[in-house]
Amino acid sequence: DSGVTQTPKHLITATGQRVTLRCSPRSGDLSVYWYQQSLDQGLQFLIQYYNGEERAKGNILERFSAQQFPDLHSELNLSSLELGDSALYFCASSLGTSSGGYTFGSGTRLTVV
Amino acid sequence: GESVGLHLPTLSVQEGDNSIINCAYSNSASDYFIWYKQESGKGPQFIIDIRSNMDKRQGQRVTVLLNKTVKHLSLQIAATQPGDSAVYFCADQAAGNKLTFGGGTRVLVKP
Repeated sequence: DSGVTQTPKHLITATGQRVTLRCSPRSGDLSVYWYQQSLDQGLQFLIQYYNGEERAKGNILERFSAQQFPDLHSELNLSSLELGDSALYFCASSLGTSSGGYTFGSGTRLTVV
Repeated sequence: GESVGLHLPTLSVQEGDNSIINCAYSNSASDYFIWYKQESGKGPQFIIDIRSNMDKRQGQRVTVLLNKTVKHLSLQIAATQPGDSAVYFCADQAAGNKLTFGGGTRVLVKP
């Protein structure tokens, strides 16, 4: 157990629908990062939050949004889902924004049918 | 830069042999480097890290080498075991910025 909790572990939904993925960072970590990983591919950075505020944005579609709440958990909202959105979505956390590694959760596998 | 939908290169290695995984980074301001291991269906796990004031760091069966002159990072795994089969990602970071991940290398250990 890495200390980063992601729910749900698996999600199957239809095209056009909207889903919310949830992440609880490791205790004490203030930064949360979201990554998308499609089959047999690398990690695509989506977005970063630090202590409730958006810190950096990557290749995140306009149909996707995220937020970090006062208790530091984060949610990634995916709307108007398409087949190509099927992927593993990882959350990672870190203490702050200076140098240091991230701790990853075990991911949410999203399947859009 | 960030991985952009490339299929993963694969390194096949005989069980018991040593593995070397290479990684190039582009940001000369990067001062922190890290290797992750990702097993199938799981999240990336920390293996070893190194800061720019070092050129070599050893862990248990793993060694990371850093060549800042050519912006190159490598991970050496000694006596590779079946449990080492996974995808390995390198990442680099400049102070205050997010980690930038490489595209990953798949390691397949043959018995």
